[in-house]
Amino acid sequence: AQSVTQLGSHVSVSEGALVLLRCNYSSSVPPYLFWYVQYPNQGLQLLLKYTSAATLVKGINGFEAEFKKSETSFHLTKPSAHMSDAAEYFCAVSEGSQGNLIFGKGTKLSVKP
Amino acid sequence: DAGVTQSPTHLIKTRGQQVTLRCSPKSGHDTVSWYQQALGQGPQFIFQYYEEEERQRGNFPDRFSGHQFPNYSSELNVNALLLGDSALYLCASSPETGMNTEAFFGQGTRLTVV
Repeated sequence: AQSVTQLGSHVSVSEGALVLLRCNYSSSVPPYLFWYVQYPNQGLQLLLKYTSAATLVKGINGFEAEFKKSETSFHLTKPSAHMSDAAEYFCAVSEGSQGNLIFGKGTKLSVKP
Repeated sequence: DAGVTQSPTHLIKTRGQQVTLRCSPKSGHDTVSWYQQALGQGPQFIFQYYEEEERQRGNFPDRFSGHQFPNYSSELNVNALLLGDSALYLCASSPETGMNTEAFFGQGTRLTVV
């Protein structure tokens, strides 16, 4: 069965600094991977998804993620953090032919002025 | 386009009671999935509905049941509520099923069981 591990439940960066949120997956088949963001009291919004077309995936709001099969990783990065990036971020892998999502436990990103 | 809408946004129920949560999918979407997000956790898949039938189910007891209507809207029912059922319940819709399909989420229903 697929699974997702997010390293670090809480990451704090200064405004303008690099954002790096870690995600490792376990999958017996080529995975479809997603990053979602959740702002307080909101649902989840898709940032980006990996579908095997390219290993470096660009998403919304300046985020990108690189798929590394050898490391079973799909880390999320942003070169320069903005205050508005403060939120919780979830990595997910698609399971089964129907595409239900298996989520990690999430990483809460704080951005200091 | 209103996106995925869920109702109510919040509710409080007593242990042992029953609750019904509602979801209207994004326009053009025929597949609806439900997730439970406990405090401090990632969402967990409950089940998925397509063409008014439950297509896939996660590891949840039979107390959790659902329904999809001909207009693709959906309900999640939970019977005999437990304190542990307190969570944010998220509805997600998609235009099709499949591993590559993007799911669009509603804002959720915050259920508190006392």
